[in-house]
Amino acid sequence: DVKVTQSSRYLVKRTGEKVFLECVQDMDHENMFWYRQDPGLGLRLIYFSYDVKMKEKGDIPEGYSVSREKKERFSLILESASTNQTSMYLCASSWQGQIYGYTFGSGTRLTVV
Amino acid sequence: AQRVTQPEKLLSVFKGAPVELKCNYSYSGSPELFWYVQYSRQRLQLLLRHISRESIKGFTADLNKGETSFHLKKPFAQEEDSAMYYCALWAGSYQLTFGKGTKLSVIP
Repeated sequence: DVKVTQSSRYLVKRTGEKVFLECVQDMDHENMFWYRQDPGLGLRLIYFSYDVKMKEKGDIPEGYSVSREKKERFSLILESASTNQTSMYLCASSWQGQIYGYTFGSGTRLTVV
Repeated sequence: AQRVTQPEKLLSVFKGAPVELKCNYSYSGSPELFWYVQYSRQRLQLLLRHISRESIKGFTADLNKGETSFHLKKPFAQEEDSAMYYCALWAGSYQLTFGKGTKLSVIP
C-alpha cells in the first residue's frame, strides 16, 4: 500500500559529499515536494515540482537542487553536504488541485558528519 | 501571504480529558484546511479535511471563518493519540502552508 517511497530511511554522509535523496510515487500525481522537518521549526519547503522538468524554489532552497526527469521520480541533491543540513527530509506528492492534500513518504534521516 | 499559526508547541492532557489543538490562519480568501498527524516512527498522514466534514479517530475540526480558526477537537483523549499534529492550509497555489506543529502528549 506504499504510495510514496523514499529510497533510504537513514543516511550518514561526510561534510562536502554530494548527496542524492530519491523519491518515487505511484499515484500519477502532478506535484511533488521536498521538505525538511526540524524540531520547533516544523516543515519547511525546499523545492517543489508541478510537472516533469519543472521546478520551483521553496522557502529554503540554498544548498539544494532538484531533478525531475520522470513524472514519478523527484530527486533532492545536496551539492556539498554541510552539518547544518542534518535533518529529516520528507518527500510528498499531490494532485494538481489540493483538495485531497499531500501523500508523504516515510522520510530520510540524514546525518552529515 | 498566507500563514498558519499553531500557538502551542506542546500540549499535555490526561487520558479521558478533552483535547483541543489550536490552529489559526491568515488568508483573505476561502481556504481549504487540513490536519495532518505523525505518530512515533510513522509517516506524516492526513487526519482530516475540512471540506469532507468527517470525524476521524474521534477527532473533528470546524472551520470558523470569522475567527479564522480550524481547531482540532476530541472529547476524550486516548494514549494512542499522542503524536505530532500539523495544521495546513491551501490557498490556491501549488503547495500547502503548514503550521509549526503541536506535540500532543496524553498522560495515562
